Amino acid sequence: DTAVSQTPKYLVTQMGNDKSIKCEQNLGHDTMYWYKQDSKKFLKIMFSYNNKELIINETVPNRFSPKSPDKAHLNLHINSLELGDSAVYFCASRPGTLDTIYFGEGSWLTVV
Amino acid sequence: RKEVEQDPGPFNVPEGATVAFNCTYSNSASQSFFWYRQDCRKEPKLLMSVYSSGNEDGRFTAQLNRASQYISLLIRDSKLSDSATYLCVVNPSGGYNKLIFGAGTRLAVHP
Repeated sequence: DTAVSQTPKYLVTQMGNDKSIKCEQNLGHDTMYWYKQDSKKFLKIMFSYNNKELIINETVPNRFSPKSPDKAHLNLHINSLELGDSAVYFCASRPGTLDTIYFGEGSWLTVV
Repeated sequence: RKEVEQDPGPFNVPEGATVAFNCTYSNSASQSFFWYRQDCRKEPKLLMSVYSSGNEDGRFTAQLNRASQYISLLIRDSKLSDSATYLCVVNPSGGYNKLIFGAGTRLAVHP
């Protein structure tokens, strides 16, 4: 029973394409996140939703658009993909304000 | 200054060694602290939370020094399976805010 699941796990696509990554959590958590881990392994937050409401929106190009249809799902759509978008994108969820977060297995995006 | 700073390593140690990782954070109002472990090509996973009084979980001991804004992780009797990257994580101000991750310290335990 995967707690935080994201699809696809691997994605290779050409520059200029539009792609989406989906995330679902079955933990009943209220808060979900998207983190990006680049080639230097640095994990940086991109977005966070609490009960479908956007609460964190870091300095991310507006080509990236998150969508949360319900509190168990947080999807990430990326328009006009660029080479620099190649990274691992981790979805995560969190039950409360001081609790730790639980990550999905990651989506490896390669833009060629 | 980065919000969370760690020595990147790598730390190369023999099995059975004791190794310590350090982490400093810039926001004195930070409320909660964690150590995560990330294996190669895997997601980060919680290793342990860090409490003001210090806490221990088997071979792992975490310490927090709020005055110095410093967190440490001690691993005793290192195992080959401890080889991973250890991430220091800070919640800067509670609420729904983001968790800030350090860049990680890589540990390689060899026979």
